[in-house]
Amino acid sequence: ETGVTQTPRHLVMGMTNKKSLKCEQHLGHNAMYWYKQSAKKPLELMFVYSLEERVENNSVPSRFSPECPNSSHLFLHLHTLQPEDSALYLCASSQVSMDRVARETQYFGPGTRLLVL
Amino acid sequence: KQEVTQIPAALSVPEGENLVLNCSFTDSAIYNLQWFRQDPGKGLTSLLLIQSSQREQTSGRLNASLDKSSGRSTLYIAASQPGDSATYLCAVESGGSNYKLTFGKGTLLTVNP
Repeated sequence: ETGVTQTPRHLVMGMTNKKSLKCEQHLGHNAMYWYKQSAKKPLELMFVYSLEERVENNSVPSRFSPECPNSSHLFLHLHTLQPEDSALYLCASSQVSMDRVARETQYFGPGTRLLVL
Repeated sequence: KQEVTQIPAALSVPEGENLVLNCSFTDSAIYNLQWFRQDPGKGLTSLLLIQSSQREQTSGRLNASLDKSSGRSTLYIAASQPGDSATYLCAVESGGSNYKLTFGKGTLLTVNP
């Protein structure tokens, strides 16, 4: 496997279900991200983990719960979602530098297409 | 709060034409600006990254410019091909928000054979 992989690629769930999205990066990066992409809206950053610590949470509802057990793996646990949570969920990774002199791009996975019924 | 706007929202051109996509941002205190490509239902692919100290970057038929003071960037695609059809997204990394990219809504490009 190379790059950033995400599973599952497609997910249909009811509002009372609990499911998890998985992301794995094979690039040796030290930061990982969850984004939400809804129709007609810009990509929205949900969570950032740098060096396995959460550094930003953009006031995402608590029904979304991230987990980053190590620098290569990132999960998004879902419970009691709403139909408006249906979207494409994208994971990304990057190498972040402490001095911020030069920043590299983020590498994205293919996404999980989520439908909440 | 940083806001990114992309114009036009959609563009359709015949094959072989040169074209320009526009991106503007409201806060000029940025670390970098990036252009991505997204194919339908897929993830994003990075095309070009321009650091705040740079004016432009080139990769093959693509050239991106950055005018930080005016809050503008353009993506120039030369000799467009049907395979260039995709949504092009502009994103800026702003100072003060660690590692956060703010995206525009994108420009949907269709290159007709």
